[in-house]
Amino acid sequence: NAGVTQTPKFRVLKTGQSMTLLCAQDMNHEYMYWYRQDPGMGLRLIHYSVGEGTTAKGEVPDGYNVSRLKKQNFLLGLESAAPSQTSVYFCASSTTSGSSYEQYFGPGTRLTVT
Amino acid sequence: ELKVEQNPLFLSMQEGKNYTIYCNYSTTSDRLYWYRQDPGKSLESLFVLLSNGAVKQEGRLMASLDTKARLSTLHITAAVHDLSATYFCAVGTGTASKLTFGTGTRLQVTL
Repeated sequence: NAGVTQTPKFRVLKTGQSMTLLCAQDMNHEYMYWYRQDPGMGLRLIHYSVGEGTTAKGEVPDGYNVSRLKKQNFLLGLESAAPSQTSVYFCASSTTSGSSYEQYFGPGTRLTVT
Repeated sequence: ELKVEQNPLFLSMQEGKNYTIYCNYSTTSDRLYWYRQDPGKSLESLFVLLSNGAVKQEGRLMASLDTKARLSTLHITAAVHDLSATYFCAVGTGTASKLTFGTGTRLQVTL
């Protein structure tokens, strides 16, 4: 099992450009999440999904959109990138079986917006 | 709004000594997670604590949860250099178990 994978690993954008980050998981997990991590801070939740075709806003959703067309994939889009979106983005997934809801994280995407 | 506070934010540890990291949170939850992050890397799950009084141990690390006090601790016994990393606690809330993270504690173990 590859677990949670993220594409790309690094990206540099100019202000106003758009891009999509792809998250894929092969663990058949129902829940998926997108977080951002800024220097010296913990992760903050951007959007999440509790199943195929459903998404919801997290703590810092502005400037981002998401889609979950397939259970194994969760896409994060930036329509018009801003320097404030320079960050490291982590995707995570979790199962609904059991009670732990433990989240498994991908390797991260480092995004720089100039 | 849920607040999760960790202290200290930075801890310089001497090898062989014991230390404790504290994680306080502001609203009721019975799901508390501890993660480790090495520089430039992703998060590695250390402990999942799901009930009041839960205690888990792995090697030199031991985590506990007091849901009444809204406090979790991560105790380090006889620190070694390999434990140098940033440690995060996170509180799970809601049916989707959304995580709210603390700001992290950077541990540095010196000889």
